[in-house]
Amino acid sequence: GIQVEQSPPDLILQEGANSTLRCNFSDSVNNLQWFHQNPWGQLINLFYIPSGTKQNGRLSATTVATERYSLLYISSSQTTDSGVYFCAALIYNQGGKLIFGQGTELSVKP
Amino acid sequence: EAQVTQNPRYLITVTGKKLTVTCSQNMNHEYMSWYRQDPGLGLRQIYYSMNVEVTDKGDVPEGYKVSRKEKRNFPLILESPSPNQTSLYFCASRGQGAGNGYTFGSGTRLTIV
Repeated sequence: GIQVEQSPPDLILQEGANSTLRCNFSDSVNNLQWFHQNPWGQLINLFYIPSGTKQNGRLSATTVATERYSLLYISSSQTTDSGVYFCAALIYNQGGKLIFGQGTELSVKP
Repeated sequence: EAQVTQNPRYLITVTGKKLTVTCSQNMNHEYMSWYRQDPGLGLRQIYYSMNVEVTDKGDVPEGYKVSRKEKRNFPLILESPSPNQTSLYFCASRGQGAGNGYTFGSGTRLTIV
């Protein structure tokens, strides 16, 4: 089956720093989503991005489907950005199943 | 506000006592799924539904049941819960079509003792 790998597994930043999170997937996927799991456990959808680049405030994402990777950029990080970031590949069997990576745990220090 | 609503948010219960976790979405989405999240195992699909009365097993369906009698609701039923079903559960939905991603509920933290 499709494998989704994220790097780095952990990241510690000072407030105001920028970061790049990477997601590699082993085969062609129908789509790619990025989520933020906050300290209360909620999964917040950040981007739905099969290809190209999208931006939302300080966050942006780029997916290069032909090379099977996606990047999430966080600029001017804030303490509220702390939590775990997941990418998930969407495949259309099993009702549009999401295959999740293991996540990147981000801690932003004041 | 477009959302997926799960209840309860937290539940501690005993082995063997039947329970239902409710899930409701207000976006008229066709697809709905249940996932569980466990340390070291990540998020795994339990069951999914492609529309009313159309449900099927995901990767870890043992010990669970679902139903989809109405488009907006997709309850998860544990008929005889066991401690290995202690987990964080998420319901999610998405609309039909290539341009739609999943929206997740806030999660249900379930502890079975």
